[in-house]
Amino acid sequence: AQTVTQSQPEMSVQEAETVTLSCTYDTSENNYYLFWYKQPPSRQMILVIRQEAYKQQNATENRFSVNFQKAAKSFSLKISDSQLGDTAMYFCAFTNTGNQFYFGTGTSLTVIP
Amino acid sequence: NAGVTQTPKFRVLKTGQSMTLLCAQDMNHEYMYWYRQDPGMGLRLIHYSVGEGTTAKGEVPDGYNVSRLKKQNFLLGLESAAPSQTSVYFCASSYSWFEAFFGQGTRLTVV
Repeated sequence: AQTVTQSQPEMSVQEAETVTLSCTYDTSENNYYLFWYKQPPSRQMILVIRQEAYKQQNATENRFSVNFQKAAKSFSLKISDSQLGDTAMYFCAFTNTGNQFYFGTGTSLTVIP
Repeated sequence: NAGVTQTPKFRVLKTGQSMTLLCAQDMNHEYMYWYRQDPGMGLRLIHYSVGEGTTAKGEVPDGYNVSRLKKQNFLLGLESAAPSQTSVYFCASSYSWFEAFFGQGTRLTVV
């Protein structure tokens, strides 16, 4: 069975600072995709960043980057230069077939002015 | 671009009533999903479909039924609503494992 664990229910960061959200997963598969989704108060789920397991290089999207450690089954999200608009719930997700996307329980991030 | 559209956005049901949530996508995606989101539990998969005419059970299928008669539509039915089904429901679609696109969610309250 595939599981995704986010051990930080809530986090906060000062505006312009850097924060890292943690995620671990469990799978016996070798090929898979990992994602971070953002859910602001509007409730809309927005893809932040995606990582292919077969790629060694960590994915980066502007202020968002990941630290993908395949052997440790760890996939953390780093947000640099945090902005007030980054306040949201963040979900880590995993899929290996596309049939199912497995989600963690989420981390609620608050950016403090 | 409409993407994934869910109808309705809000609904209040009495215990025992039935209802159908409609999900429509215009991206020609094969895969469609229904999730429920509850505080502290993330998103849990209810049912999914890998193509027109197919459906399969996810993690929490009890009390729900689904149908995918047309490729662009995925319906979620509650035959006899219970308070435990109070939740926010999300529909999503994807092209293989590249990315899941989500609707805006339906907040359902069962009283």
